[in-house]
Amino acid sequence: DAKTTQPPSMDCAEGRAANLPCNHSTISGNEYVYWYRQIHSQGPQYIIHGLKNNETNEMASLIITEDRKSSTLILPHATLRDTAVYYCIVLAGNNRKLIWGLGTSLAVNP
Amino acid sequence: DSGVTQTPKHLITATGQRVTLRCSPRSGDLSVYWYQQSLDQGLQFLIQYYNGEERAKGNILERFSAQQFPDLHSELNLSSLELGDSALYFCASSGRGMETQYFGPGTRLLVL
Repeated sequence: DAKTTQPPSMDCAEGRAANLPCNHSTISGNEYVYWYRQIHSQGPQYIIHGLKNNETNEMASLIITEDRKSSTLILPHATLRDTAVYYCIVLAGNNRKLIWGLGTSLAVNP
Repeated sequence: DSGVTQTPKHLITATGQRVTLRCSPRSGDLSVYWYQQSLDQGLQFLIQYYNGEERAKGNILERFSAQQFPDLHSELNLSSLELGDSALYFCASSGRGMETQYFGPGTRLLVL
């Protein structure tokens, strides 16, 4: 099962872009990269996912390297409400079990 | 609002007791997932049901069981509770062929 590595914490100034890295060097060819975030004890919130190509939605952009061994989640204009723990996850096995790490705790500062 | 509902929001009970947590998935979603999150820990996948049948199993204790009913709601039963079972329990749902999981607000369980 593919696993991910993320920095435990990051800081970002309000209004600036937040770039959250994730390593998933053992990812398989058919496994997707998913990003979720969790704002203090609330239910995790889906952000974005991708397979090979870069993806963008109203919340964020996802940049996946060509070898798919790492990815970056970009919040283009971080706000205080983006302060949360961000989880990078890859699907695991045929049963599609999500394997969660400890994520990156992002603090957006005024 | 994800569309996934969980009840109760909070639950306080004693060691040795049994509790039932309830989850209603988003309208039309066939899969239900249960997760446990202990204090300052990541989410631990417990079990998945798809259209009433168990689809995947994670680190679920034998004291815990779950089921999904014909109306697609699910219940997680926790028995012989221990202090270490105190945690947030989340339910998520996803649709047919869709991997994106949408999470409910969780049930906070405190075992005293």
